Amino acid sequence: ELQLVESGGGLVQPGGSLRLSCAASGFTFSDYAMSWVRQAPGKGLEWVSSIEGPGRDTYYAASVKGRFTVSRDNSKNTMYLQMNSLRAEDTAVYYCAKDSFSRNGVFDAFDIWGQGAMVTVSS
Amino acid sequence: EIVLTQSPGTLSLSPGERATLSCRASQSVSSSYLAWYQQKRGQVPRLLIYGASIRATGIPDRFSGSGSGTDFTLTISRLEPEDFAVYHCQQYGTSPPFSFGQGTKLEIK
Repeated sequence: ELQLVESGGGLVQPGGSLRLSCAASGFTFSDYAMSWVRQAPGKGLEWVSSIEGPGRDTYYAASVKGRFTVSRDNSKNTMYLQMNSLRAEDTAVYYCAKDSFSRNGVFDAFDIWGQGAMVTVSS
Repeated sequence: EIVLTQSPGTLSLSPGERATLSCRASQSVSSSYLAWYQQKRGQVPRLLIYGASIRATGIPDRFSGSGSGTDFTLTISRLEPEDFAVYHCQQYGTSPPFSFGQGTKLEIK
């Protein structure tokens, strides 16, 4: 069964750091680009970051660029999101998501989503 | 950055009726890289449509997508009780950022 499981969420003070993990199973992890998408309470979905299969190329939303870093360890079938300088507006459920196809140079729609990790930034 | 605007914000219909949801892009979406997701309360988003008009695996044929360029539509031909949810459109492809619309809430009238 294709599955993504996030971990690492929690409560952190403004200016603090947190690292999320996304463990994948049921598919050849290294073949697929992966992404992070967040959803603030009662709000819509916001794309945060994407990383290509080999892990060389990464992309970020303007709202997190310079503060968040996405990475992956294909030997462990795991993607990470290092979040630094956290702000109240980063409070959200963070989902990891898998591309629906494996295509070089193209990021696809997300066919598999994790259950989400709640990140709360508050003093 | 492509901005997606969904309308209406809320759509109130009855089971059995036809639903038409709109997603308009601020600039052309290349190669129809447009997806629709369904999200029920407390649940994870589910991929319905990709490539503007291709149903994802296991999606009933009452769901259909259409459009190109800047105007896209999700149609649900006959609403079932389980279809009442929030629907999100997203553009993806070769040039990040990959934005989402703000969502349309489909509620029971």
